[in-house]
Amino acid sequence: GAVVSQHPSRVICKSGTSVKIECRSLDFQATTMFWYRQFPKQSLMLMATSNEGSKATYEQGVEKDKFLINHASLTLSTLTVTSAHPEDSSFYICSARDRLSSSYNSPLHFGNGTRLTVT
Amino acid sequence: AQTVTQSQPEMSVQEAETVTLSCTYDTSENNYYLFWYKQPPSRQMILVIRQEAYKQQNATENRFSVNFQKAAKSFSLKISDSQLGDTAMYFCAFMRTGNQFYFGTGTSLTVIP
Repeated sequence: GAVVSQHPSRVICKSGTSVKIECRSLDFQATTMFWYRQFPKQSLMLMATSNEGSKATYEQGVEKDKFLINHASLTLSTLTVTSAHPEDSSFYICSARDRLSSSYNSPLHFGNGTRLTVT
Repeated sequence: AQTVTQSQPEMSVQEAETVTLSCTYDTSENNYYLFWYKQPPSRQMILVIRQEAYKQQNATENRFSVNFQKAAKSFSLKISDSQLGDTAMYFCAFMRTGNQFYFGTGTSLTVIP
């Protein structure tokens, strides 16, 4: 089945530093990847849609200069949290759809998530 | 804007019994897709079942089935013969034609042995 690898699974960083999270589709190509943020016992909030070779589309209220997204290839998207603050501590999940999927109802394939803790 | 509402934050069910999780959504679109995802303690998101809005027939997947009421914008999940492994957070999700997924607030289901 389709596998999405997300790395790292856990990261602790100091306030003011930047952290990069990688999302790779291992056995399929994804022209579009999505980044979500999940607070404890809450839902997944869509942060941005990452499009290969073009700028990401951010949801309302998400700071594009703070959450930098790069989708340089059909198998890799990265999310960089810049100048991290403790309130950025959260669980970040990426997802992707197979670009060869012919069905609009094809589900998203999710990474295992990254728990970010900013001290 | 699309909103997805799950009105039951927590539910429990006895093993082997049946439970129904509710979901309502709001959209002005006519063509869309609905999903139920399961998130166990491992935090991995797992697809449970999907439904195309243009199909009147309710989707079924083994012990999982949905009751899709398009006019009422309702999309409930029924789990039959509940098993301990069904314990998880369940998220209802709406996918618009632009491929963005929007998730509900989630229902924490506990299967009691």
